[in-house]
Amino acid sequence: DGGITQSPKYLFRKEGQNVTLSCEQNLNHDAMYWYRQDPGQGLRLIYYSQIVNDFQKGDIAEGYSVSREKKESFPLTVTSAQKNPTAFYLCATRLAGGHGTGELFFGEGSRLTVL
Amino acid sequence: AQKITQTQPGMFVQEKEAVTLDCTYDTSDPSYGLFWYKQPSSGEMIFLIYQGSYDQQNATEGRYSLNFQKARKSANLVISASQLGDSAMYFCAMRENRDDKIIFGKGTRLHILP
Repeated sequence: DGGITQSPKYLFRKEGQNVTLSCEQNLNHDAMYWYRQDPGQGLRLIYYSQIVNDFQKGDIAEGYSVSREKKESFPLTVTSAQKNPTAFYLCATRLAGGHGTGELFFGEGSRLTVL
Repeated sequence: AQKITQTQPGMFVQEKEAVTLDCTYDTSDPSYGLFWYKQPSSGEMIFLIYQGSYDQQNATEGRYSLNFQKARKSANLVISASQLGDSAMYFCAMRENRDDKIIFGKGTRLHILP
């Protein structure tokens, strides 16, 4: 099936541990995005990437890192430097280059809980 | 700076009535796009409607229309003849075309009453 796969769906982590959230897509979309969702805060942009081997910081990049070695993959690492990492994380993609409306397509999300 | 504001944290509307969800935005990029998404309690994000900054006419998609007032930097979503299934969180979003950055507002939780 074509789409965006985020894994794991649920993740528990102890304080001080790094954790990596996976985002894989087979839509052949150019751009990929990571958002964090907290109650009452909406979606806040962490990082985004328009092409392979390039990415830009969003509004809340501190404590997170990403890589874009392949077009299909955009993993997000939540580091121990992130003060309050418990949240719902959403990965999204979009077909760039002026095709259609360019809306975001979202994965089902990963819920991270720090114990 | 790029900014999206949704001033209505929650709304209650009677079934079959029309509802307007407010969204204002700020950007220095003359070329941008505006989006509305719906998030039911299941958590999935559903794209509803898009408006480009140079589009002359307001966008419509079925029961959804976008009331685009460029001078006021306003992009309100109008849902006609609301249904119980419209109960969800609704997010307004903006993409600045110069750098592809896409940001979202804090959302409005819409409750449709039977």
